[in-house]
Amino acid sequence: GAGVSQSPRYKVAKRGQDVALRCDPISGHVSLFWYQQALGQGPEFLTYFQNEAQLDKSGLPSDRFFAERPEGSVSTLKIQRTQQEDSAVYLCASSFIAPQETQYFGPGTRLLVL
Amino acid sequence: AQKVTQAQTEISVVEKEDVTLDCVYETRDTTYYLFWYKQPPSGELVFLIRRNSFDEQNEISGRYSWNFQKSTSSFNFTITASQVVDSAVYFCALSEGRDSGTYKYIFGTGTRLKVLA
Repeated sequence: GAGVSQSPRYKVAKRGQDVALRCDPISGHVSLFWYQQALGQGPEFLTYFQNEAQLDKSGLPSDRFFAERPEGSVSTLKIQRTQQEDSAVYLCASSFIAPQETQYFGPGTRLLVL
Repeated sequence: AQKVTQAQTEISVVEKEDVTLDCVYETRDTTYYLFWYKQPPSGELVFLIRRNSFDEQNEISGRYSWNFQKSTSSFNFTITASQVVDSAVYFCALSEGRDSGTYKYIFGTGTRLKVLA
């Protein structure tokens, strides 16, 4: 498929564990976004990459959250020492070049922290 | 500050009825973009439409139509002759670059549409 893919689709973690969530954007897409969607809410912005550069991380809720995109394609969102409040769906989106273009979303990773 | 309000939390209609989902936005910027996405039970956000702030023409795509009115800061979405497959959560989103240049999306809280057979 040519869409945005994310893995794993589901992740159960014990409180205190570290997790890593992967995003494969649409091939050739320069801009990449991460969002967090709590149950019953709209997605909320976490961070934005243009190629490998992380240009905006203002939405990351704490220093336990870290994202990278070292080669300008695949991105990983890492959460250290997970807490129950981190339970949510993590959505990745990409757009072709400029960030103001339409974002296309992946299926999300549903994280449950016990 | 940027904000998107979807006041309707949940709407139930009977199949073949028309339904309008409301979206009201706030922004200080003159250049901005508005979007509607559909989120079916599978969870993936499906893009429906993108509008820029300089284009107030209403748009129709099959059974879907959108009414953009800058005077009331609204971007409403109408489904004509609804079908059961239209059942989903619908999100309205705003994107502008004034504050950060990121054009991150600001989403509303969504409207859950249930179409009953």
